[in-house]
Amino acid sequence: KNEVEQSPQNLTAQEGEFITINCSYSVGISALHWLQQHPGGGIVSLFMLSSGKKKHGRLIATINIQEKHSSLHITASHPRDSAVYICAVSGETSGSRLTFGEGTQLTVNP
Amino acid sequence: DTGVSQNPRHKITKRGQNVTFRCDPISEHNRLYWYRQTLGQGPEFLTYFQNEAQLEKSRLLSDRFSAERPKGSFSTLEIQRTEQGDSAMYLCASSPGSVGRRTQYFGPGTRLTVL
Repeated sequence: KNEVEQSPQNLTAQEGEFITINCSYSVGISALHWLQQHPGGGIVSLFMLSSGKKKHGRLIATINIQEKHSSLHITASHPRDSAVYICAVSGETSGSRLTFGEGTQLTVNP
Repeated sequence: DTGVSQNPRHKITKRGQNVTFRCDPISEHNRLYWYRQTLGQGPEFLTYFQNEAQLEKSRLLSDRFSAERPKGSFSTLEIQRTEQGDSAMYLCASSPGSVGRRTQYFGPGTRLTVL
C-alpha cells in the first residue's frame, strides 16, 4: 500500500462542473502539498497546508489531520484546468523531501 | 527568468553510456532536491541537499547515480552505465530556508531516454 493514495486516477468533467480530488495518507506529516503538472512535465505548487482550508481563486484545498485525508476542489471548472493533479506529503521524520501520490488526470471538456 | 532551470531538457543515450544533468535552483534557495518520474506515476525522491551537504539519499539511488552541489548553488546528477530502466523524467526542485516546511519550486525536468 502506497503511503499516499489519490482518487480518482482519471476524471472527466464538463466545463462549469464542481470537481473534487481526494488524497489519503498513512504516515505522520508536517505538511501536505497539492501540485499541478501540465503535459511536458512542469510542476507547479498550488497549496501547502498543515491544517484547515486554503483558497486561491477557484481552487480550494482542505485537510483533516485526524482522518489523514485531504481534498482539492475546483469550482466552475474550465478546459484550461485540464492537467494532472498530484498530492504529496512532507513526512514528520523524512526531512523535507516529498512523498507523492500517483496523480489524478483531469480532463475538462468545453 | 528566475525560476529553477534544468539542462538539457531532453537526452537520448545508448545503454552503457554516462549522462550528466544540471540543475540551477532559484538564487539563494538553500535546499535542492532531485526526483525521478516514470510515465503515469508520481515523482519519487532521489536525493536532497542543504547548501552543499547531501543530507539524504533514497534507496532508489544505486551506486551508478551520483549527485553533487559543490558550491551550494547549482547541482549535477550523473548516471553511469545507463540502463533502459533509467529512462524517466528527472526533476529538480528548490526551496528556501534551512528549517521547517517550505514550498518547493520545480524545474521543467530533463527527459532521459536510454536506447
